[in-house]
Amino acid sequence: QVQLVESGGGVVQPGTSLRLSCAASGFYFSTSAMHWVRQAPGKGPEWVAVIRYDGSNIFYADSVKGRFTISRDNPKNTLYLQMSSLRPEDTAVYYCAKDLYFYDYSGYSVDWGQGTLVTVTS
Amino acid sequence: EIVLTQSPAIMSLSPGERATLSCRASQSVGTSLGWYQQKPGKAPRLLVFDASKGAADLPGRFSGSGSGTDFTLTISSLEPEDFAVYYCQQGTNRPPWTFGQGTRLEIK
Repeated sequence: QVQLVESGGGVVQPGTSLRLSCAASGFYFSTSAMHWVRQAPGKGPEWVAVIRYDGSNIFYADSVKGRFTISRDNPKNTLYLQMSSLRPEDTAVYYCAKDLYFYDYSGYSVDWGQGTLVTVTS
Repeated sequence: EIVLTQSPAIMSLSPGERATLSCRASQSVGTSLGWYQQKPGKAPRLLVFDASKGAADLPGRFSGSGSGTDFTLTISSLEPEDFAVYYCQQGTNRPPWTFGQGTRLEIK
């Protein structure tokens, strides 16, 4: 079955960088659009970024544009989120998620990882 | 950016009762709206997409309806495992994709 395992979270200071990884298995990763979605403590989910199956058509939420970079390594079945200039408001559980559609994206996330917590604090 | 407003924020019902959750969009999203269920400490689970299409393994007591700006998720007869937080999300084919603030369905 579909398995998504995030890693790389932790406690960091404002202004620093962090890279999250998401190891995918149980499905054809190379044909799936992938998302990063975050959820601050006690809040609803917030979509962060999407990348099409072939690494094209990348989009970001305005709140992270210019600071975060989504990428993927299809041969390694791995999704990444490079985060820089981190702010306290970036504190959240970060989930990687598989889009409902193959190849292109629908916006709906049908399979999710367990999440990795990023805490930005001085 | 499309803003989704869910109501009520908290709903208290008993097992066996019918639950009707609402989501209103700030502008028309056609039928591009989904519903998720989230339990404590877990990731959200997609229940419904495109307003009324059930995701895989969705129990028959869940149904979605609506179009344009007004949408509803109905649970016909609540089971104990249905008490959770529910979020709507607009799924138009271009980002950003926004979520509502959630409805907490609690046991009365």
